Amino acid sequence: EAGVAQSPRYKIIEKRQSVAFWCNPISGHATLYWYQQILGQGPKLLIQFQNNGVVDDSQLPKDRFSAERLKGVDSTLKIQPAKLEDSAVYLCASSLGSSGPLIAQYFGPGTRLTVL
Amino acid sequence: DAKTTQPPSMDCAEGRAANLPCNHSTISGNEYVYWYRQIHSQGPQYIIHGLKNNETNEMASLIITEDRKSSTLILPHATLRDTAVYYCIVWSPLTGGGNKLTFGTGTQLKVEL
Repeated sequence: EAGVAQSPRYKIIEKRQSVAFWCNPISGHATLYWYQQILGQGPKLLIQFQNNGVVDDSQLPKDRFSAERLKGVDSTLKIQPAKLEDSAVYLCASSLGSSGPLIAQYFGPGTRLTVL
Repeated sequence: DAKTTQPPSMDCAEGRAANLPCNHSTISGNEYVYWYRQIHSQGPQYIIHGLKNNETNEMASLIITEDRKSSTLILPHATLRDTAVYYCIVWSPLTGGGNKLTFGTGTQLKVEL
């Protein structure tokens, strides 16, 4: 079974530039998550989709971050404009569903963003 | 969300059992304990979860105390490839359905020869 795919793996940009990350979840997984992981910290949930609807985006900085999941499969996360503090690894995860405790999340390898 | 407390680091000799503790004294009755690990430069990997009873799978065993205020993840025969950051997480459902995992800073396990 193919895992969660993410691209690019690495990205370096100047502050105030824009950047986009792409995620392809495991086939059949209805729930998709974007996490931000700053060096030395655990991942922090930014946004959660159930199919193509948003379940939780309470920690997404909406003035600069946006995410979409058209057709309930692939997803993109965008930052516009980027700030220095956005330097982090952006992780995408997916799970079969979002109800009940028996749903494990499967993570992709992440995209390492460096903002100069 | 219930808060978890883990030691920042632990060492273990290869072939020995690694016992990773977690304190979650404010856990609610309907909250589960999840364990994930993150090997360097990779995304987190699900290991195991439990509610009240002890659980075992091909990767590890999870021992939850009777009062549910703490738990221990056991890797029975640690190998060098088990070197990773281990996260203990209390799972909390969101209103309307959800599966939110709140990660702390975890325990860095180093397995040595």
